[in-house]
Amino acid sequence: GAGVSQSPRYKVAKRGQDVALRCDPISGHVSLFWYQQALGQGPEFLTYFQNEAQLDKSGLPSDRFFAERPEGSVSTLKIQRTQQEDSAVYLCASSPGGLGPTGELFFGEGSRLTVL
Amino acid sequence: GQNIDQPTEMTATEGAIVQINCTYQTSGFNGLFWYQQHAGEAPTFLSYNVLDGLEEKGRFSSFLSRSKGYSYLLLKELQMKDSASYLCAVEDSNYQLIWGAGTKLIIKP
Repeated sequence: GAGVSQSPRYKVAKRGQDVALRCDPISGHVSLFWYQQALGQGPEFLTYFQNEAQLDKSGLPSDRFFAERPEGSVSTLKIQRTQQEDSAVYLCASSPGGLGPTGELFFGEGSRLTVL
Repeated sequence: GQNIDQPTEMTATEGAIVQINCTYQTSGFNGLFWYQQHAGEAPTFLSYNVLDGLEEKGRFSSFLSRSKGYSYLLLKELQMKDSASYLCAVEDSNYQLIWGAGTKLIIKP
């Protein structure tokens, strides 16, 4: 499709398991963002890529979180040794331009992670 | 610190008008966004204000006062499908979006 695609839509993990969440942005979009959204809250910034370069990872909550975008298109957010507090919806968004006035962000539908 | 405040929940009647307020305190300002998010779905862009004043787009309008750190989203001729959360977000001096917690709007017939 033409929009941002995320998979899996739903993931249940046992505490301590590793998970990988995939984001396929709109083709040609330079900027890619990962956000974490808890129930009833706004998105919280995790990390930002401009093409393949990870320019900002200040929002990653711990070193268990890792993100990559090796070819400047698809991105993967990996969470190691998941904890219950990692349960949230993980949103990916892309935009056509680079860092600067971002304009409109195009969001995927998110990956809902539940850690038991 | 950086802070975005908006009401948690509002209720309005189908066909009426509702105003959702947002106040912000951020490190710099490069624009304010409103997004709509239906339950379980992705946020979708509604409006962007960078200069003071009112931006109108169909049934939706957004207002900004930079000196007051204040914005509102005005929804007219409310429809049941407008039931959603409305997120206010400010782009700070580092070009990062700071998000409010969202206002859940409930439309009653």
